[in-house]
Amino acid sequence: NAGVTQTPKFQVLKTGQSMTLQCAQDMNHNSMYWYRQDPGMGLRLIYYSASEGTTDKGEVPNGYNVSRLNKREFSLRLESAAPSQTSVYFCASIPQISAGYGYTFGSGTRLTVV
Amino acid sequence: SQQGEEDPQALSIQEGENATMNCSYKTSINNLQWYRQNSGRGLVHLILIRSNEREKHSGRLRVTLDTSKKSSSLLITASRAADTASYFCATVAPSGNTPLVFGKGTRLSVIA
Repeated sequence: NAGVTQTPKFQVLKTGQSMTLQCAQDMNHNSMYWYRQDPGMGLRLIYYSASEGTTDKGEVPNGYNVSRLNKREFSLRLESAAPSQTSVYFCASIPQISAGYGYTFGSGTRLTVV
Repeated sequence: SQQGEEDPQALSIQEGENATMNCSYKTSINNLQWYRQNSGRGLVHLILIRSNEREKHSGRLRVTLDTSKKSSSLLITASRAADTASYFCATVAPSGNTPLVFGKGTRLSVIA
């Protein structure tokens, strides 16, 4: 099925460990996004990539890095995980960043840092 | 920072009733979007309304936008148990070239 695929779905890390969250879309979309969702906080933007080869910081980028590997894939890396990064992470994409498109979201990665 | 604020934070209604959720935002927008999130799932896009539009319909959904009051409402008519979910509004800045900014959501429970 066409859409946004995120892996893994669940992950438990120890403080200080690193990991990469993977996101891939097969809709030929140009723009991709990483959000985190915490209870009572809604979704907050971490990083985004308006097009292949570009990345920009969002509202809460500290502690994260991203790579737009190609047009399909946009990964999010935690270099040294902290308990404050316990959250649900969502990847999303749209055809292009100009106005007028609804986002397509993946099903999320639930990350716990202990 | 959060742009939209949904009201109420939680809403519980009987099946068959209408559900109304409101969203207020702080700065000018290009468009406003509503999303649904079922428990443990990703967000699903419901409807987009542009700043020059006042009302849009999609099936049992009706969205209004009042740019003078910086507010929007989502009406779900004849609600069903399957409508139980969290609903989020999200806005795009006037340039149109910036990411969505989400509100904190309204949790809707439809009781059969």
